Amino acid sequence: ETGVTQTPRHLVMGMTNKKSLKCEQHLGHNAMYWYKQSAKKPLELMFVYSLEERVENNSVPSRFSPECPNSSHLFLHLHTLQPEDSALYLCASSQLSGDYGYTFGSGTRLTVV
Amino acid sequence: SQQGEEDPQALSIQEGENATMNCSYKTSINNLQWYRQNSGRGLVHLILIRSNEREKHSGRLRVTLDTSKKSSSLLITASRAADTASYFCATEGQGGSEKLVFGKGTKLTVNP
Repeated sequence: ETGVTQTPRHLVMGMTNKKSLKCEQHLGHNAMYWYKQSAKKPLELMFVYSLEERVENNSVPSRFSPECPNSSHLFLHLHTLQPEDSALYLCASSQLSGDYGYTFGSGTRLTVV
Repeated sequence: SQQGEEDPQALSIQEGENATMNCSYKTSINNLQWYRQNSGRGLVHLILIRSNEREKHSGRLRVTLDTSKKSSSLLITASRAADTASYFCATEGQGGSEKLVFGKGTKLTVNP
């Protein structure tokens, strides 16, 4: 365990479903991130939360909706997804204002059918 | 874009050999980081090198940074089968941007 826990590990959902991905960290970090990893593409940054405020939204479709209720928890709400949204979704956290690396969770493997 | 680009895309070596992976990027950076990913899992932070550093070591890992060429290399010495994974470089830009931008990675296979 890295200190960043993602649930569920695997998720299969239909295009009309609504589901949520959860990320939790107890490292005392004050920034959290959602990344999408598709086959043969670089990791794509989706959202950044710094001190619980969203500071980045990289032109992500509105069918992805993030939520950060406190510094330890991050959610990604999913609705009416497309098959091309199938990917590994990775959550990470970091400590701002310092040269520290990111700590990643193990990811949620999402399949949209 | 300051996206890192790793080279080669894939590398296959024998156990005990050294593995060298390279990364190039496009804009000024605050630091450059290397991560490792086992198949289908999360990324693990390996090492961070600041823009004013030229070389850094951690165990069997050696990282170099040449800001004039906007490039970095990761050397893994005396490789083991357990080093088989994908390796990514990531850059943190200057100007207060906290986000990391990743390259596509190098897939390293170490044959026993």
